[in-house]
Amino acid sequence: QKEVEQNSGPLSVPEGAIASLNCTYSDRGSQSFFWYRQYSGKSPELIMSIYSNGDKEDGRFTAQLNKASQYVSLLIRDSQPSDSATYLCAVNRWSNNNDMRFGAGTRLTVKP
Amino acid sequence: GAVVSQHPSRVICKSGTSVKIECRSLDFQATTMFWYRQFPKQSLMLMATSNEGSKATYEQGVEKDKFLINHASLTLSTLTVTSAHPEDSSFYICSASEGSGPDPIYDEQFFGPGTRLTVL
Repeated sequence: QKEVEQNSGPLSVPEGAIASLNCTYSDRGSQSFFWYRQYSGKSPELIMSIYSNGDKEDGRFTAQLNKASQYVSLLIRDSQPSDSATYLCAVNRWSNNNDMRFGAGTRLTVKP
Repeated sequence: GAVVSQHPSRVICKSGTSVKIECRSLDFQATTMFWYRQFPKQSLMLMATSNEGSKATYEQGVEKDKFLINHASLTLSTLTVTSAHPEDSSFYICSASEGSGPDPIYDEQFFGPGTRLTVL
């Protein structure tokens, strides 16, 4: 089992729709969870961080965390073509120190 | 704030040569810097973690004698790929963490723009 698993996609949604991205992780002791967006040929940029169970909203983005299910998701409302990118889920296990692990990413395409 | 730069952005070298990549935190002091490698259509793979003034901690399978990391100051870390070979061609990305908050689990990693290395 991979440490951080994501559906590779591609996920395609029409402009204005809600895009739902999912991620599961294997280490139950993980404490910090992040969603990064990566455009082709560029480095990742942080979209959201979440540390406790429940929802966290920031503009059109909502992150959801369920530690019991070891599941974290990202919802993008009113999707725009500019949201087309690969979304990386990252989990920091904090085993001894900063120990971030990334999923393989989900490629999202928002069609105009 | 929280800007991380990398230099060079792109480098092409001959097999057997060494390449140095610099990572700088421009507007904060980075207690910890991280080096990742990303092959096409794959995710980021952590290569090593470095703390200022200490030896880097390498991930399993990463040759420390081939990938030399120096973190001499709180704003600069360097990765040197020694005796590069075509299989070392990849996208190398650094990130930095300030590590000044009361609880380290809230420390975010800020990524540099990446360096694309091509070894001929």
